[in-house]
Amino acid sequence: GAGVSQSPSNKVTEKGKDVELRCDPISGHTALYWYRQSLGQGLEFLIYFQGNSAPDKSGLPSDRFSAERTGGSVSTLTIQRTQQEDSAVYLCASSLVGQGRNEQFFGPGTRLTVL
Amino acid sequence: AQSVAQPEDQVNVAEGNPLTVKCTYSVSGNPYLFWYVQYPNRGLQFLLKYITGDNLVKGSYGFEAEFNKSQTSFHLKKPSALVSDSALYFCAVSLQFSGNTPLVFGKGTRLSVIA
Repeated sequence: GAGVSQSPSNKVTEKGKDVELRCDPISGHTALYWYRQSLGQGLEFLIYFQGNSAPDKSGLPSDRFSAERTGGSVSTLTIQRTQQEDSAVYLCASSLVGQGRNEQFFGPGTRLTVL
Repeated sequence: AQSVAQPEDQVNVAEGNPLTVKCTYSVSGNPYLFWYVQYPNRGLQFLLKYITGDNLVKGSYGFEAEFNKSQTSFHLKKPSALVSDSALYFCAVSLQFSGNTPLVFGKGTRLSVIA
């Protein structure tokens, strides 16, 4: 497609349930990023994939959060045993790699509400 | 560690007047600097970036930003504001490496342009 797509657009879940959020990056973009946007907290980096390198997981807030990227394209962010503080908008972005080519293009986000 | 400060949570400006949204940064190296805009219920849209070269960068929708190394600032400007410019604006920084690095965002500034 023309841009980054994410699904679902909205997800409401009960505390303690697991959720999976999906991201389809722009075709040809080898770098993929997950961020979280919480009310009053701005955007917080979660995890970063680049090509076949090991992902940078330094932003994941707890071991309940994990992500994978299959075939260098689609990525899934999984949150296990969701808590109310996980409620946020989860944004995915992708970019090309290289000097001067790294502006990130964002998807519309998944709004997660944990009841 | 990198950080970005947007000192104003809210900026109000009359339509037709010039606008400035402030951003300062802190990095231990040469920065890539970005501005993104977020309209209600939409993802982030890339506005402009500074990589190297001319300190005045021109971007989408008539926006521009000036890189000031001595003041570590990258303020966003527009000569004549439109009501349609009302949105949430984010400044972001990453480090210049041969590869890519995740963006560190400011907390955002809400711009309100009043007719």
